[in-house]
Amino acid sequence: SQQGEEDPQALSIQEGENATMNCSYKTSINNLQWYRQNSGRGLVHLILIRSNEREKHSGRLRVTLDTSKKSSSLLITASRAADTASYFCATIGGAQKLVFGQGTRLTINP
Amino acid sequence: DAGVTQSPTHLIKTRGQQVTLRCSPKSGHDTVSWYQQALGQGPQFIFQYYEEEERQRGNFPDRFSGHQFPNYSSELNVNALLLGDSALYLCASSLGWTRSTDTQYFGPGTRLTVL
Repeated sequence: SQQGEEDPQALSIQEGENATMNCSYKTSINNLQWYRQNSGRGLVHLILIRSNEREKHSGRLRVTLDTSKKSSSLLITASRAADTASYFCATIGGAQKLVFGQGTRLTINP
Repeated sequence: DAGVTQSPTHLIKTRGQQVTLRCSPKSGHDTVSWYQQALGQGPQFIFQYYEEEERQRGNFPDRFSGHQFPNYSSELNVNALLLGDSALYLCASSLGWTRSTDTQYFGPGTRLTVL
């Protein structure tokens, strides 16, 4: 079963705009990770945020974590066509067993 | 430095058959995890191998079994294939199965179609 849900399930924006995706989860976590997947291929790790962190940046990516609300958000700034992909959040409650959400399908229109 | 590799890329089988998928972890990694991703869904954890033993298992039937070799590579076997086993099978490697803060690196996946 999935740990939680991503919102929205699909997002379509114009190139250059910012994209925000949200993730909710159900149980306590050690950390939360975001992955990108292009066209049903392998997953690419984007960023990991620990349960004692509230915000983390990596290039054009900004991730926030609110453990009291059991939610996280991923912001991609100045989007590019190459950002078109599905984005998944995944949590780890204990040893390395990732529990993924359903994903957000992001489309960047030129 | 090679990343995680998987073979084959695509596979077509018929119901009732058996299939073996293979994974070589990223250099230096000793833990291999397998995930099943149905179309339009997020990946679901199947099981994880470390030191040639299954350490964790998800909610999958015994038809799904695996093996890890001394060189850390791994196989996923599925017996008595069902139509519902059609999915993308992803392998992930990491270092030390109890280290929950480490990143898992994924391979490109094997697309299995069961007819």
